[in-house]
Amino acid sequence: GAGVSQSPSNKVTEKGKDVELRCDPISGHTALYWYRQRLGQGLEFLIYFQGNSAPDKSGLPSDRFSAERTGESVSTLTIQRTQQEDSAVYLCASSLVLGWNTEAFFGQGTRLTVV
Amino acid sequence: SQQGEEDPQALSIQEGENATMNCSYKTSINNLQWYRQNSGRGLVHLILIRSNEREKHSGRLRVTLDTSKKSSSLLITASRAADTASYFCATDDSGAGSYQLTFGKGTKLSVIP
Repeated sequence: GAGVSQSPSNKVTEKGKDVELRCDPISGHTALYWYRQRLGQGLEFLIYFQGNSAPDKSGLPSDRFSAERTGESVSTLTIQRTQQEDSAVYLCASSLVLGWNTEAFFGQGTRLTVV
Repeated sequence: SQQGEEDPQALSIQEGENATMNCSYKTSINNLQWYRQNSGRGLVHLILIRSNEREKHSGRLRVTLDTSKKSSSLLITASRAADTASYFCATDDSGAGSYQLTFGKGTKLSVIP
């Protein structure tokens, strides 16, 4: 597609439920990132993927969070047993290669509200 | 405190004025990037400056980088109401060999028509 696509755009869920967020990166982009942004805050790194290499999961806040990516395509971020503090905008980004000198293209995010 | 902290946190100016935002960071970097965010959703890449560069221009944007002070500034000249947004700097950590881009909390810019 023309840009990074995330779905759903908005998600309201009850505390304790599991949610799955989806990211479709730009075709041909080998690197994919997930970030979380709480209201009025900066972006908090969660995880990144590069091709078939082992992902860097160092930013995942707890074992309730997990992410998968099949090859260089779609990624899903799963949050189990959601808590109110999980409420945030979850942003996905992709870049042509994984590296320090390539720009990241962001999706519009999924706004998650846990009630 | 975290890598890539912007200041001021909020800035309000009149249309036509220049806006300057600053970013400080803590580690050695390979490059520094500035992004813009409208309405709390997706970020748009503005400009990337490498660690061996001191200044870079793109349209009405001017970015400087001082690696000795671990700081960068973003100048928007002749601001427009449409420039109203939050601006973030993002850095890597070359020492850690990490590909993570670490973002600050951003500067919220309001341009008053």
